[in-house]
Amino acid sequence: DIVLTQSPALAVSLGQRATISCRASQSVSISRYNLMHWYQQKPGQQPKLLIYRASNLASGIPARFSGSGSGTDFTLTINPVQADDIATYYCQQSRESPMYTFGAGTKLELK
Amino acid sequence: EVQLVESGGGLVQPKGSLKLSCAASGFDFNSYGMSWVRQAPGKGLDLVADISSKSYNYATYYADSVKDRFTISRDDSQSMVYLQMDNLKTEDTALYYCTVLGRTGTFDYWGQGVMVTVSS
Repeated sequence: DIVLTQSPALAVSLGQRATISCRASQSVSISRYNLMHWYQQKPGQQPKLLIYRASNLASGIPARFSGSGSGTDFTLTINPVQADDIATYYCQQSRESPMYTFGAGTKLELK
Repeated sequence: EVQLVESGGGLVQPKGSLKLSCAASGFDFNSYGMSWVRQAPGKGLDLVADISSKSYNYATYYADSVKDRFTISRDDSQSMVYLQMDNLKTEDTALYYCTVLGRTGTFDYWGQGVMVTVSS
């Protein structure tokens, strides 16, 4: 299985930039497709798709969210961070179909 | 608007059984794969099982941890997906989410989840 590694937590001030990383145990890219996706889960709620294929915003997601990366290293950036963004963020790979795996999640906290 | 409504959860003893149901609406159910993802209390997300659309012959996948114990199925005529869980173990305790599986392996939409507690 492809293992995805995320830092457990990140503290950030409102209005600042948050950078959340995800590293895969092997490449999740196929030619020009980077099969890494990001989800947001607020406390007590179900997860929501934020970004698909590394850098594409899902429907209705504000432009302060962005994603980048290829191969094994990926980043989710929130700039500027708003109070509503306090949540846990998960990366997920679909390179190894159908054994899709998630990272353990990064909890975004206020500094 | 896509809606996924799970039901069937509850408290069950080890080695018992439960059947989860998910009623889907607001999208072309027949064209999408569906999956169950679970989240143990205070933990992360794990894919439990998924089932493809008729176009892909209703192919199924199970995580190793549930293989031979859980069975995923769907009824396209009713826009329903099910998860039959047998021989339940305490480690199966979790919130179970029904999700729509996107074409590139994303979990596009999620239900509110249904809680399954396995305890004596």
